[in-house]
Amino acid sequence: GENVEQHPSTLSVQEGDSAVIKCTYSDSASNYFPWYKQELGKRPQLIIDIRSNVGEKKDQRIAVTLNKTAKHFSLHITETQPEDSAVYFCAASKGQGAQKLVFGQGTRLTINP
Amino acid sequence: DVKVTQSSRYLVKRTGEKVFLECVQDMDHENMFWYRQDPGLGLRLIYFSYDVKMKEKGDIPEGYSVSREKKERFSLILESASTNQTSMYLCASSSHGVEQYFGPGTRLTVT
Repeated sequence: GENVEQHPSTLSVQEGDSAVIKCTYSDSASNYFPWYKQELGKRPQLIIDIRSNVGEKKDQRIAVTLNKTAKHFSLHITETQPEDSAVYFCAASKGQGAQKLVFGQGTRLTINP
Repeated sequence: DVKVTQSSRYLVKRTGEKVFLECVQDMDHENMFWYRQDPGLGLRLIYFSYDVKMKEKGDIPEGYSVSREKKERFSLILESASTNQTSMYLCASSSHGVEQYFGPGTRLTVT
């Protein structure tokens, strides 16, 4: 089955700097890659996703890139702000039926003022 | 606005007890999921359901069962709770394979 590895497990950056979180997946049939953000004490929420027919997607300060050949995808956050502090999860899916997601282990991002 | 609710935020049970965790969604979603969240392990899928009375095992179904008698409600059952089932349990729902909406979670402690 699918296996998703996420790195780093913790990341600390200065406010205003950029943050990058990377994930690799094992199943070449996976075609849907969402990123979820979980603030302390709250539920995970989707922040951006990408499908395998595109290589990059942007939404304001966040972007996701996908390299299908290497089977890895990354989350990029620019101009980080204190409210970006959270745990981020990547996931992969074959995008069929009930959209079973396999999640990475999570990255705790801390933005230092 | 999608709303996914879970029956309890915190639950303390004793080893060997039967435990029911309930999840309700109000968006007529076909798909519902149960995950457990443990530090350093991310979210791991226990069971999911794509229709009423339908269920499929996820990655860690051992020690759990589920029930989906109505479209809006998905229950997770621990037949005989054990201490290694102490965890945060998250329910989610989705429609036709897009965004999953999560509930607030139930932190279960088994003593």
